[in-house]
Amino acid sequence: DAGVIQSPRHEVTEMGQEVTLRCKLISGHNSLFWYRQTMMRGLELLIYFNNNVPIDDSGMPEDRFSAKMPNASFSTLKIQPSEPRDSAVYFCASSRLGTEGTQYFGPGTRLLVL
Amino acid sequence: GQNIDQPTEMTATEGAIVQINCTYQTSGFNGLFWYQQHAGEAPTFLSYNVLDGLEEKGRFSSFLSRSKGYSYLLLKELQMKDSASYLCAVKKSSNALNFGKGTSLLVTP
Repeated sequence: DAGVIQSPRHEVTEMGQEVTLRCKLISGHNSLFWYRQTMMRGLELLIYFNNNVPIDDSGMPEDRFSAKMPNASFSTLKIQPSEPRDSAVYFCASSRLGTEGTQYFGPGTRLLVL
Repeated sequence: GQNIDQPTEMTATEGAIVQINCTYQTSGFNGLFWYQQHAGEAPTFLSYNVLDGLEEKGRFSSFLSRSKGYSYLLLKELQMKDSASYLCAVKKSSNALNFGKGTSLLVTP
């Protein structure tokens, strides 16, 4: 089975531009997590969904960030407008409902905002 | 809120045993998880503890004391490939994970 798929793998953009990160869950999984990782702050949860419904969005930094699950297997994380401090590795992870602690991570998107 | 503390770095010798400690303070607790992350890669699940005690899984074991807010990951018969960052994570009441900043382990010959 394919693991969690993320795209793009690398993104370099200029401050003020819109950035859209994409994630495809593992088939049969119904919990989806977006994380951001930096050296300074470590791995931070941004938002998590169960069955397409946002359950915990306490980590979403501000209104510039938004996440959606248009269907059960796909999610997007959008940053508009982007800022240099958004530069980080963004991971998507999925799990089965009821086993949310056992998460399978995608390869990550390395974002650099200039 | 939650506060998770683990050492920033550790070094150990190939073939030896190393213990990575994690302490946490939490307002809601649903389990303690350990993940491994090699440089430039994604985290991968290693183990979890919900009840007090030791969980053994091959060369890796994890211990939990809920009353003390303390866990450790024990790695035996260290191999060079064990050089990685080890992340301690607490499962919140919402069932999401709150990760520590990780312990970077270097295994030397």
